[in-house]
Amino acid sequence: EVQLVESGGGLVQPGGSLRLSCVASGFTFRNYWMKWVRQAPGKGLEWVANIKQDGSEKYYVDSVKGRFTISRDNAKNSLFLQMISLRAEDTAVYFCARGGVSDPSVDYWGQGTLVTVSS
Amino acid sequence: DIQMTQSPSSLSASVGDRVTITCRASQGVSTLLAWYQQKPEKAPKSLIYAASSLQSGVPSRFSGSGSGTDFTLTISSLQPEDFATYYCQQYNTYPYTFGQGTKVEVK
Repeated sequence: EVQLVESGGGLVQPGGSLRLSCVASGFTFRNYWMKWVRQAPGKGLEWVANIKQDGSEKYYVDSVKGRFTISRDNAKNSLFLQMISLRAEDTAVYFCARGGVSDPSVDYWGQGTLVTVSS
Repeated sequence: DIQMTQSPSSLSASVGDRVTITCRASQGVSTLLAWYQQKPEKAPKSLIYAASSLQSGVPSRFSGSGSGTDFTLTISSLQPEDFATYYCQQYNTYPYTFGQGTKVEVK
């Protein structure tokens, strides 16, 4: 069974930093593109970042470029999102997600972790 | 960025109804279009990829069609568990973008 379990969310002050983690199980992690998608309270879904299987390609939505870094550790079946210079508008549930084996859309989602940026 | 516009934003329907949701892209995305279902306080669930391919385990009452700029998600016979919000997403061009969502409510 594919499982994606996020952790690391919490309350942080504006300008602060946070590192999200996602541990994957039930599939060969190193074979898949991985993603982060977020959802602000009461709002729709927003794609945040993608990372290729070997970490050699990374893509970000413009609003987080230069502030967020996606990375992965294939030996530990783990995906990360390092977030710095956090803003109130980064407040959201952050979902870890897997890309499909033959298609880059999402096929599996984690349960999400809430990040709240507030003083 | 490619803008994805869903219509309607919400709809009321009854169990057994045929439901159609439309998603329009501001520029062509070929068939690189996915549909997701989300229930309150839950993670999204993937329904359809490549515009018309069903994800594993998704009931056959769900279907997708379209290419280029115009896409449709159809639920042939609405079931109680289908009341939820539905999102389309294009993944042809970065940044990947979602529609604003369509909420399917009980009539």
